[in-house]
Amino acid sequence: DQQVKQNSPSLSVQEGRISILNCDYTNSMFDYFLWYKKYPAEGPTFLISISSIKDKNEDGRFTVFLNKSAKHLSLHIVPSQPGDSAVYFCAASPAGKLIFGQGTTLQVKP
Amino acid sequence: DTEVTQTPKHLVMGMTNKKSLKCEQHMGHRAMYWYKQKAKKPPELMFVYSYEKLSINESVPSRFSPECPNSSLLNLHLHALQPEDSALYLCASSQGEGGIQFFGPGTRLTVL
Repeated sequence: DQQVKQNSPSLSVQEGRISILNCDYTNSMFDYFLWYKKYPAEGPTFLISISSIKDKNEDGRFTVFLNKSAKHLSLHIVPSQPGDSAVYFCAASPAGKLIFGQGTTLQVKP
Repeated sequence: DTEVTQTPKHLVMGMTNKKSLKCEQHMGHRAMYWYKQKAKKPPELMFVYSYEKLSINESVPSRFSPECPNSSLLNLHLHALQPEDSALYLCASSQGEGGIQFFGPGTRLTVL
């Protein structure tokens, strides 16, 4: 049973526009979430995180929103750049583990 | 030094071979992790070490044997692997168990 789900396998946006990546989770006990970015043949790179005591966290072009009642989080990238093209994983962090979603491949077109 | 290093980058081994994967970090992190990632799938946790002691074993087959010789090093000993064990093996570390994890580049393992 998938506890963290990213239902969109891919997303394509134009350079300069906003990219919105979505993630849903099933366990209401999860209280810390992270987004990672992964290029082929590399390890995941940490982007941004959010604790369940907040509903928004911002770092430069990246903003993560958390809706606890809907068990939903989203990552906004604005403006999107071609170098943002990668696979994005959301993850929940219960008890020392990372439980990853399936990933969304973002393509930013010049 | 803010990176996690992994060696080798690529490894090809037969089913009767014994090999080891190595991971190193010098960030003073006290938790280290092994993940396995198959193509087009997310990373899956295998083991967690906290303060050099095995904290979590996600029911991994005994042909995978982790070792944490000191707080900077994490090894994964491989023996009698199967072709389905071919994957990208990722190491990560965090300040403490449950903290933000930083990943190495991975070892691409092929079992023939």
